[in-house]
Amino acid sequence: DVVMTQTPLSLSVTPGQPASISCKSSQSLVHTDGKTYFFWYLQKPGQSPHLLISEVSNRFSGVPDRFSGSGSGTDFTLKISRVEAEDVGVYYCMHSIQLPRTFGQGTRLEIK
Amino acid sequence: EVQVVESGGGLVQPGRSLRLSCTTSGFTFGAESMSWFRQAPGKGLEWVGFIASKAYGGTTHYAASVEGRFTISRDDSKSIAYLQMDSLKTEDTAVYYCSRDSYGHSPIDSFDFWGQGTMVTVSS
Repeated sequence: DVVMTQTPLSLSVTPGQPASISCKSSQSLVHTDGKTYFFWYLQKPGQSPHLLISEVSNRFSGVPDRFSGSGSGTDFTLKISRVEAEDVGVYYCMHSIQLPRTFGQGTRLEIK
Repeated sequence: EVQVVESGGGLVQPGRSLRLSCTTSGFTFGAESMSWFRQAPGKGLEWVGFIASKAYGGTTHYAASVEGRFTISRDDSKSIAYLQMDSLKTEDTAVYYCSRDSYGHSPIDSFDFWGQGTMVTVSS
């Protein structure tokens, strides 16, 4: 199974400041079709997970442009350029390069 | 507009069965593979299993933790995926979600819409 390792596991950020979350996979997430099967999610308190980014850097519809994804192969990063109060919750990375799909442990973001 | 609604959860005793439904609209269900996920109280997200579209044989795959106890099926005429859960254990207690999978196509338009989930509590 592909192991997804997120760091840090928690973040406390002042509104308006940037934030960054790393996710490393135990093997390459680049498929033979050339696409990278990697996703970022945000689960706000009491809600279901919401897709933020797919295929490393493609923001899902309605996701603010302060969210950006980057990386390749096995190393990926989610950046929030200016954190807002509504960004609190747990961020997860996930792959679908093979079965089983697996998630990172989650990174809890709180506002200072 | 894509919609996904999970239903069928509830309180069930250990060893009993329950069937969950994932009712969808807004996309061509028959062309999509579907995955089930779960989240135990206070824990992270876990993939449960997957069913391919008919174009890919409708094959199923399961997490080791549920293999042999859970069965995923689909009714393309109703745009519904099912999760049959047998021999339930207390550790199966979780909120269960479904979403369309990336199997057979691009990661874009995959794992994009999740419902509110349905809670399954396994307890005596």
